Amino acid sequence: AQSVSQHNHHVILSEAASLELGCNYSYGGTVNLFWYVQYPGQHLQLLLKYFSGDPLVKGIKGFEAEFIKSKFSFNLRKPSVQWSDTAEYFCAVRGNAGKSTFGDGTTLTVKP
Amino acid sequence: DVKVTQSSRYLVKRTGEKVFLECVQDMDHENMFWYRQDPGLGLRLIYFSYDVKMKEKGDIPEGYSVSREKKERFSLILESASTNQTSMYLCASSFSPGQAYYEQYFGPGTRLTVT
Repeated sequence: AQSVSQHNHHVILSEAASLELGCNYSYGGTVNLFWYVQYPGQHLQLLLKYFSGDPLVKGIKGFEAEFIKSKFSFNLRKPSVQWSDTAEYFCAVRGNAGKSTFGDGTTLTVKP
Repeated sequence: DVKVTQSSRYLVKRTGEKVFLECVQDMDHENMFWYRQDPGLGLRLIYFSYDVKMKEKGDIPEGYSVSREKKERFSLILESASTNQTSMYLCASSFSPGQAYYEQYFGPGTRLTVT
């Protein structure tokens, strides 16, 4: 069975601080990895994805994530957060059977 | 732009009622999903469908059923609603050519309260 673990439930940062949200997964086969974001009052939307190739992927709004296969990790990073990044962030893994598993989510609060 | 719409944003039902949640996508996606979202628990997969009339159980299918008679529409059915099914329900769809799996597009959610 596949599973996803997000290490931080709630992160509070000041504007311009750097961000790293941890995500670890467990699955024995080939995976597709995703980070989704849910801004207050909005739909869940894709932030970035990894399918294959370069393990460092870039997404929207200056976010990036690095896939480290040996560590089963896919951490999300942003060098300088803005107040508008306040949202809930979800890591997700999709295995060969097509089923997606999401982490519990991390709420990010950025103080102006 | 992919659009996933859900029939209701807010719904209040009584215990024991049969509840239908409808989801429609307009991008001819093969895959459709139903999740429930609860604080601190993230998104949990209830059912998904990879083709018309096909369905697969997710992680928490108990108390739910689904129907997919047309490619664009995926319905979630609560046969006899209970208070522990009070939650936010999210529908999603994704493109799936061959064996590739692409990202999911989500609807706005239906907040269901069972009293």
